[in-house]
Amino acid sequence: AQSVAQPEDQVNVAEGNPLTVKCTYSVSGNPYLFWYVQYPNRGLQFLLKYITGDNLVKGSYGFEAEFNKSQTSFHLKKPSALVSDSALYFCALLRGATNKLIFGTGTLLAVQP
Amino acid sequence: EAGVAQSPRYKIIEKRQSVAFWCNPISGHATLYWYQQILGQGPKLLIQFQNNGVVDDSQLPKDRFSAERLKGVDSTLKIQPAKLEDSAVYLCASSPFRGQREKLFFGSGTQLSVL
Repeated sequence: AQSVAQPEDQVNVAEGNPLTVKCTYSVSGNPYLFWYVQYPNRGLQFLLKYITGDNLVKGSYGFEAEFNKSQTSFHLKKPSALVSDSALYFCALLRGATNKLIFGTGTLLAVQP
Repeated sequence: EAGVAQSPRYKIIEKRQSVAFWCNPISGHATLYWYQQILGQGPKLLIQFQNNGVVDDSQLPKDRFSAERLKGVDSTLKIQPAKLEDSAVYLCASSPFRGQREKLFFGSGTQLSVL
């Protein structure tokens, strides 16, 4: 079965420190992976996607994600966290057969000043 | 550019009542989606429109949920009658592309509380 998991409900990090939000996936065939962010009282916003090619994907707001096929992971990273990065982050997997996004349960990122 | 507009922002109803949500996608976006986001879960696709035709409604509880997209622009999602478990945020998204390989543009959502 195709699925995506976000093992951490919440990640706490101090401003200026690097941050990582974890995502693992299970899929038959090549995965199409996405990260979306949801700020309070706002809809989801696209950050980045991996379709094929370079394993390090750069996205909006200084975020990047590393695709690791052997570990079936697609972790979101940022070298230096900002308080304004505090939000709910969703990893998503595109199911090839149905062309439908499957979202993870979300990870709440809290950046302390 | 204007984003995806949704209304109302909040809605509180009692179970067995009916409710309707409205969405206006970004101009020119042919594809429109309705998602249900229950607290603590990721968004789940309810229905996908391509222009005014339904592409996928396999996860729409058709005994109580209905949706339409007249003239291929605005869309409404209706629940009748509502159940307690329908309490969620209902998100509308649009895209100029048919599939979901490209980014989706989401509205702010309608938060529904069923008492």
